[in-house]
Amino acid sequence: GESVGLHLPTLSVQEGDNSIINCAYSNSASDYFIWYKQESGKGPQFIIDIRSNMDKRQGQRVTVLLNKTVKHLSLQIAATQPGDSAVYFCAENNYGQNFVFGPGTRLSVLP
Amino acid sequence: DAEITQSPRHKITETGRQVTLACHQTWNHNNMFWYRQDLGHGLRLIHYSYGVHDTNKGEVSDGYSVSRSNTEDLPLTLESAASSQTSVYFCASSDPSKGLVFAEAFFGQGTRLTVV
Repeated sequence: GESVGLHLPTLSVQEGDNSIINCAYSNSASDYFIWYKQESGKGPQFIIDIRSNMDKRQGQRVTVLLNKTVKHLSLQIAATQPGDSAVYFCAENNYGQNFVFGPGTRLSVLP
Repeated sequence: DAEITQSPRHKITETGRQVTLACHQTWNHNNMFWYRQDLGHGLRLIHYSYGVHDTNKGEVSDGYSVSRSNTEDLPLTLESAASSQTSVYFCASSDPSKGLVFAEAFFGQGTRLTVV
């Protein structure tokens, strides 16, 4: 069945450094992926998405990379700030069916 | 501003009781969803709706039901609450006009439910 996982459950980075959060997915038919950010006590917030016909997409300070060959997704955050501290989820979607979310990676930004 | 709100934010109930969690969105989105969030499982889909009078089962629908009588609301009912349903529940909505039924789901703040 479909599954989404994360290589690193926790990640600590120094303020100002770049962060990379990784995600592996198992369903090669998935055609759409989203990264969400969840701060403590809040609901998940959309960060960036990517379709399977792309391998890179950039937003403001964030970049998502998709490697379909190895079924790997990553979120890069440039110049990490204290406000970036949160749990980050990747999710995959297959032809408009249910999104499958991973367990999340906690990002801690050190001063 | 348009928003999605859940109520209550916290709820404690006893095993066997019926519980209803409210979700209200003002974006006029056709798609609405209910997820539960548990440690080690991420977000799991309970039920979803693509429009008024439409409801569909998600991954973990047993013990839950929803109804969609208007565009704005999708209440989630636990027919007979069980301790296994202690969790944080999130409601979300999205705009299918983007071409993907699950594109950019906007989430509520969550309801923490404890079944004792």
